[in-house]
Amino acid sequence: EDKVVQSPLSLVVHEGDTVTLNCSYEVTNFRSLLWYKQEKKAPTFLFMLTSSGIEKKSSSILDKKELFSILNITATQTGDSAIYLCAVLLEGAQKLVFGQGTRLTINP
Amino acid sequence: GAGVSQSPSNKVTEKGKDVELRCDPISGHTALYWYRQRLGQGLEFLIYFQGNSAPDKSGLPSDRFSAERTGESVSTLTIQRTQQEDSAVYLCASSFFRGARYEQYFGPGTRLTVT
Repeated sequence: EDKVVQSPLSLVVHEGDTVTLNCSYEVTNFRSLLWYKQEKKAPTFLFMLTSSGIEKKSSSILDKKELFSILNITATQTGDSAIYLCAVLLEGAQKLVFGQGTRLTINP
Repeated sequence: GAGVSQSPSNKVTEKGKDVELRCDPISGHTALYWYRQRLGQGLEFLIYFQGNSAPDKSGLPSDRFSAERTGESVSTLTIQRTQQEDSAVYLCASSFFRGARYEQYFGPGTRLTVT
């Protein structure tokens, strides 16, 4: 069964702190990994990672050997408070498998 | 044009009644998905349509749930004999591939409350 696991499930920090959100996966046919931000309503697409390495713009990492991704958020602001969802896009299909999300709260 | 739209935005129904939720995807998107999100939880995959292929129904939680899609347009998710545990936000999304580019857009969701 295809599975995506995120950690932590919940995180509370102060404005200005740096946070690291984790996403690990076990899927049959990996194509890409996507990160979403969900505030009050529907998730909004942030970016997609396909190759192993560091995505400079977002300071995110994808490791296709160890099967995980990290989303780093530096100098956090209260507007970064949201649920962050990780999803894996499977090869040969457009099916996304989502993790359960990390609820991030940034306190002023 | 417009993004993914869903209707109704809110639905309150009595236990045991049937409900129909509608999704209008972005024109030209070949794939359409339904997800369920319970309060404070992640997205639970329900069903996925891709073009004219047979839908992937592996996420439907019981035979009370069904969905249809007409070609590459509107989709309807039907829940029969609703139960209180069906209360959730039901999200629809559509997506497309163009070369290496992939994008998926979500609708605003339908909040279903079963009393």
